[in-house]
Amino acid sequence: QSVLTQPPSVSAAPGPRVTLSCSGSSSNIGNNPVNWYQQVPGKSPKLLIYHDDLKPSGVSDRFSGSKSGTSASLAISGLQSEDEADYYCAAWDDSLSGWVFGGGTKLSVL
Amino acid sequence: EVQLLESGGGLVQPGGSLRLSCAASVFTLSNYAMSWVRQAPGKGLEWVSSICGSTAHTYCADSVKGRFTISRDNSKNTLYLQMNGLRAEDTAVYYCARGEGSLVEATSFDYWGQGTLVTVSS
Repeated sequence: QSVLTQPPSVSAAPGPRVTLSCSGSSSNIGNNPVNWYQQVPGKSPKLLIYHDDLKPSGVSDRFSGSKSGTSASLAISGLQSEDEADYYCAAWDDSLSGWVFGGGTKLSVL
Repeated sequence: EVQLLESGGGLVQPGGSLRLSCAASVFTLSNYAMSWVRQAPGKGLEWVSSICGSTAHTYCADSVKGRFTISRDNSKNTLYLQMNGLRAEDTAVYYCARGEGSLVEATSFDYWGQGTLVTVSS
């Protein structure tokens, strides 16, 4: 049981905008920045969004992050087949004094 | 380009020990927070342990506290994870990850290694 809650899977057709959710509590998302990672099967995770809504250089503008209260979201616009991957949210947890991850969302592009 | 190269994984019996290494290239490891994150077969990511860049303060997940120890050798620019008392549930790919800042609790993992597989089985 992960501290951060993500839907296990999301499916969408190419083109539309899709939003992945991540729910936490006041000790993690509610008080600390959220980071998002993309992991293509068989590969290492890659930083996608950091500090809630910032993008590392090289990350497509189609990805954006947001946060409200104890929940965060990752939006992907113009969905493409190459976006098929597992997506994880993460935040520092003040109560646990450690990093917590969501269980991950497997995004399938139909 | 930043590179992190893990090594030291393998097959070990329950109760055994292993030491993982993560050699860093291009950047000075002691200037950044460094972490170990693991992924059990078919499962999600789980944070294991971190060390701050400037203070070398360490943090450890409850699941490995008292058994795993994170450390670094600045002269070798290498991060380590000493794993003792290994259990079947420790079986996973272990990734070394760099923090984009020096403080563990105020950073993100901006670079990841390729991972090293640890299998705990008799």
